Amino acid sequence: RKEVEQDPGPFNVPEGATVAFNCTYSNSASQSFFWYRQDCRKEPKLLMSVYSSGNEDGRFTAQLNRASQYISLLIRDSKLSDSATYLCVVNDGGSQGNLIFGKGTKLSVKP
Amino acid sequence: NAGVTQTPKFQVLKTGQSMTLQCAQDMNHEYMSWYRQDPGMGLRLIHYSVGAGITDQGEVPNGYNVSRSTTEDFPLRLLSAAPSQTSVYFCASTWDRESTNEKLFFGSGTQLSVL
Repeated sequence: RKEVEQDPGPFNVPEGATVAFNCTYSNSASQSFFWYRQDCRKEPKLLMSVYSSGNEDGRFTAQLNRASQYISLLIRDSKLSDSATYLCVVNDGGSQGNLIFGKGTKLSVKP
Repeated sequence: NAGVTQTPKFQVLKTGQSMTLQCAQDMNHEYMSWYRQDPGMGLRLIHYSVGAGITDQGEVPNGYNVSRSTTEDFPLRLLSAAPSQTSVYFCASTWDRESTNEKLFFGSGTQLSVL
């Protein structure tokens, strides 16, 4: 089975902290990479796509290392509202491009 | 736009009962899919469809059937419910799965318990 591995956490951090999540994937043929956010008992929602050159969206920075098959997400200046589970998502490299979800990393930001 | 609509939100079944989870989208998406999410597991793909009349199996298809008679609707049928099918089910869609960097739109989920 093609795998996407994440540290399950939980990561408990104070407001304002910087926190980093890591993810590894097993299929070298994967071409698309994403971070999704899932709040408790809610549906996943796209946080950001991950590009080879790395990309930033406000306080969030995503990095991709294809050689090591490794993806990261950095959150700076954590807010209480960042508390959620962060899902690493990779396409399966097949012609249909189905997505494989990691089990998620839980983040809890405390006052 | 309503986006992706799933019904029901909650359902309790007895072992052996059958039921259909409904999923509809109003965004003219070609690709639709069903996932299940269990504690300690990532979302796992059950079935998917890349257009009306076309369906295919995902990672965990056993015990489930799907059909895609229209672009908008993609129901998931449990033929004879088993306790192992207790899970949260999500329907998701996007425009065209052959493109990369596509955002998946999820429904709000169905919490299913099989007793």
